Amino acid sequence: GAGVSQSPSNKVTEKGKDVELRCDPISGHTALYWYRQRLGQGLEFLIYFQGNSAPDKSGLPSDRFSAERTGESVSTLTIQRTQQEDSAVYLCASRRVENIQYFGAGTRLSVL
Amino acid sequence: SQQGEEDPQALSIQEGENATMNCSYKTSINNLQWYRQNSGRGLVHLILIRSNEREKHSGRLRVTLDTSKKSSSLLITASRAADTASYFCATDGNAGNMLTFGGGTRLMVKP
Repeated sequence: GAGVSQSPSNKVTEKGKDVELRCDPISGHTALYWYRQRLGQGLEFLIYFQGNSAPDKSGLPSDRFSAERTGESVSTLTIQRTQQEDSAVYLCASRRVENIQYFGAGTRLSVL
Repeated sequence: SQQGEEDPQALSIQEGENATMNCSYKTSINNLQWYRQNSGRGLVHLILIRSNEREKHSGRLRVTLDTSKKSSSLLITASRAADTASYFCATDGNAGNMLTFGGGTRLMVKP
């Protein structure tokens, strides 16, 4: 596709439920990033995939968060036992050259 | 953690005026980038300035970089209402192609 695609665009869930967020990067982009953005704040790095290398998970805030990526394609971010503090916009980006990142429109997660 | 800090946090100007946003950072960088975000959604890359560059232009955008002061500025000239958005600086250091984003400047351009 032309850009990074994320789904769903909005997700409302109840506290304690699991959610899965999806990211389709730009074709040919080997690097993929997940960020979290709370209301009115900057981006918080979560996880980074580069080709077939082991992902950099250093930004994941707790063991309730996990992400997978198959090869250089789709990635899913899973949040287990969601908490209200998980409410945020989750942004995915893929990279081409010089670490210029191309962002999806994000998934707005609301945990009630 | 956020390395970059933007200043001001919010800026309101009239159409036609210039808007200047500043960014400070803490560690050495390979390059510094500015992104724009509309309505809390995806970010769009605006401009990249490398650590060995001091100034760069792109259309109505002018970016400066002072590595001795660890600071950068983004100037938008002849602003338009459509420039209303949040603007973020992001530093590319030596940590495996990570970008570290600042907290952003919310710019409002009044018609």
